[in-house]
Amino acid sequence: GAVVSQHPSWVICKSGTSVKIECRSLDFQATTMFWYRQFPKQSLMLMATSNEGSKATYEQGVEKDKFLINHASLTLSTLTVTSAHPEDSSFYICSASQGAPGLAGQETQYFGPGTRLLVL
Amino acid sequence: GQQVMQIPQYQHVQEGEDFTTYCNSSTTLSNIQWYKQRPGGHPVFLIQLVKSGEVKKQKRLTFQFGEAKKNSSLHITATQTTDVGTYFCAGPSNTGKLIFGQGTTLQVKP
Repeated sequence: GAVVSQHPSWVICKSGTSVKIECRSLDFQATTMFWYRQFPKQSLMLMATSNEGSKATYEQGVEKDKFLINHASLTLSTLTVTSAHPEDSSFYICSASQGAPGLAGQETQYFGPGTRLLVL
Repeated sequence: GQQVMQIPQYQHVQEGEDFTTYCNSSTTLSNIQWYKQRPGGHPVFLIQLVKSGEVKKQKRLTFQFGEAKKNSSLHITATQTTDVGTYFCAGPSNTGKLIFGQGTTLQVKP
């Protein structure tokens, strides 16, 4: 149980295009989903926290107009990188938790397999 | 702000040697979680510790939560090449998110 999928697993795009990444909890309802970015040999950097039906909460320094998050249902959250540039190239990982909003950090997070984005 | 620090950053061991990574939080934690990320992979949940002084074992892995609930350790006995990866500790913040340590990358020489 507790499987999270992410699609696509990797994407190469031209600078200026937008890329949408999907995160799905396959066998449980995820009250909260998290989006992380990880650069090579670094830890996970939380970008935003999203709860179904409400606006995402972005971490300091993360542009909400550039990284659009939609949490349409209890099993699906999407991250859209708008007008991607080479510096946006990274490993984007989502995670899902059954923790209530504001308490999701208390619960185990189940990570998706990640999406490697390369912007040329 | 709240910080979770991990040492060492890297550790190279000979297969069969033991390995330990340490995690320290700037604040008291309600729980601590450990994750493993294989090279090229994503973090996988290993364990959660909740009680002060708690010790849990998973085969050759021993996890410990400090009495003050501000530090934790992961000890691997007799490492194997399959143990290679980066081990992250993480603790919940008071705003409901998980704060990850920098991770300890383990390399095992066969």
